[in-house]
Amino acid sequence: AQSVTQLGSHVSVSEGALVLLRCNYSSSVPPYLFWYVQYPNQGLQLLLKYTTGATLVKGINGFEAEFKKSETSFHLTKPSAHMSDAAEYFCAVSEPGGSYIPTFGRGTSLIVHP
Amino acid sequence: DAGVIQSPRHEVTEMGQEVTLRCKPISGHNSLFWYRQTMMRGLELLIYFNNNVPIDDSGMPEDRFSAKMPNASFSTLKIQPSEPRDSAVYFCASSLGSGGLGDTEAFFGQGTRLTVV
Repeated sequence: AQSVTQLGSHVSVSEGALVLLRCNYSSSVPPYLFWYVQYPNQGLQLLLKYTTGATLVKGINGFEAEFKKSETSFHLTKPSAHMSDAAEYFCAVSEPGGSYIPTFGRGTSLIVHP
Repeated sequence: DAGVIQSPRHEVTEMGQEVTLRCKPISGHNSLFWYRQTMMRGLELLIYFNNNVPIDDSGMPEDRFSAKMPNASFSTLKIQPSEPRDSAVYFCASSLGSGGLGDTEAFFGQGTRLTVV
C-alpha cells in the first residue's frame, strides 16, 4: 500500500527566502511522485512529477524536487519565495503497474511574508 | 481544451435534499476521479472510473452517495439525502491512465463547494 506524509501543515517564509516543503512516502514498488499546488478557490494543478530517470526534477514557477530513494523522500524546494507562491501544496504518490490511483498527502499551506 | 469542467461551482441546499454534482472530463482521458476536500480529512478519494466503469468506490462514505459515468464525457456524483456533514469541496479529476503505469498526472476541475444547512 502507498502513503504520503507531509511534515508541517503550515510553513511560513519571508519573501526571497528559501522554500522547503517536506514529503515522505511509502510504497511497495518504485513510485511515481507528484507535487500539486492549489490556489484559493481553485483545483489542484501539477507542479512537477518524477517517474524515472534523473532524480532532480524541475517544475513550473521555479520549483524543483529531488527523489531520494534511501530516504523515501521527495521534498519540494524553491530558492527564493515570491508572494504569489502562497498556496496549498500537495505531495502525491502512485504505484506503476498498480491501480495508478494517486494517494495525496494532507497538504502544506505555504505562507509568504513581505 | 477547456480542462475539467465542474458544475455548479457553489451549491447551498437544505438537509434532506438531493444534490447532484456534474463533471465533464478532458476529452480523450480514460480515468476519472471524484475527491472530497475538507479541513478535517484533507483530500479523500471517493470513487475512480476507468473507461466509464467504476473500479474503486471504497471511498464512498455511505449509501447516500452514488456516482455514475454514462459515457466518456460526463459523470455525476449524487448525494441523497444530503446532511450537514457532507459540506465540503468536491473535485473531479481526469487523467490519461496509461495501462496502469500511473505516470500521467490528474487534471482537476475547479471544484464544487457544497454547503448543506
